[in-house]
Amino acid sequence: DIQMTQSPSSLSASVGDRVTITCRASQSISSFLNWYQQKPGKAPKLLISAASNLQSGVPSRFSGSESGTDFTLTISSLQPEDFATYYCQQSYRTPLTFGGGTKVEIK
Amino acid sequence: QVLLQESGPGLVKPSETLSLTCRVSGDSIRSGHYWGWIRQPPGKGLEWIGHIYPGGSPYHNPSLETRVSISVDSSKNQFSLKLISVTAADTAVYYCASIGQKELDFDYWGQGSVVTVSS
Repeated sequence: DIQMTQSPSSLSASVGDRVTITCRASQSISSFLNWYQQKPGKAPKLLISAASNLQSGVPSRFSGSESGTDFTLTISSLQPEDFATYYCQQSYRTPLTFGGGTKVEIK
Repeated sequence: QVLLQESGPGLVKPSETLSLTCRVSGDSIRSGHYWGWIRQPPGKGLEWIGHIYPGGSPYHNPSLETRVSISVDSSKNQFSLKLISVTAADTAVYYCASIGQKELDFDYWGQGSVVTVSS
């Protein structure tokens, strides 16, 4: 199975901060990496597919990038509605696997 | 806008079978998506259970391979999950989702169905 290691597992940040979340794959997955946002009691929401394709309706402050087996989700200016848990997911090969999540909390 | 709605019992006894159905509205289940299931134990992360393309063979998580089955009923525009011989470790929120064919991204999700395994 392809292991997805997310870091950090949690972070505290203030409104307006730039936030970076990293996801490392245990092997090459090309650009088959998706990012989700989950708020408490809600289903996850797809933010970015194929490492950097922003989904329709998702604010442009969210962006994704890749470097080898390392993938990054960046929030350029954190907004109050962005406090949530973020997950990466590889779709290169089954079993599809998720990272452990990064909880973004208010500082 | 694709809408997905899970339904099924919220309480299942140990050793019995968990059965959930996901009704799809706003799109045909034959529209070109895969259809799948993901679960999330209390306070934990997400686990892919499996997915299926109408008319095709399902893909299952090997960790659940011997206990899980996923099927599609195109006439009712819905798909289903069955998990046999459940234990407390199967207690989770179960989500159904549509999956893009190209990126295998979970693009639309149901609201989730809480399933507790307990006697």
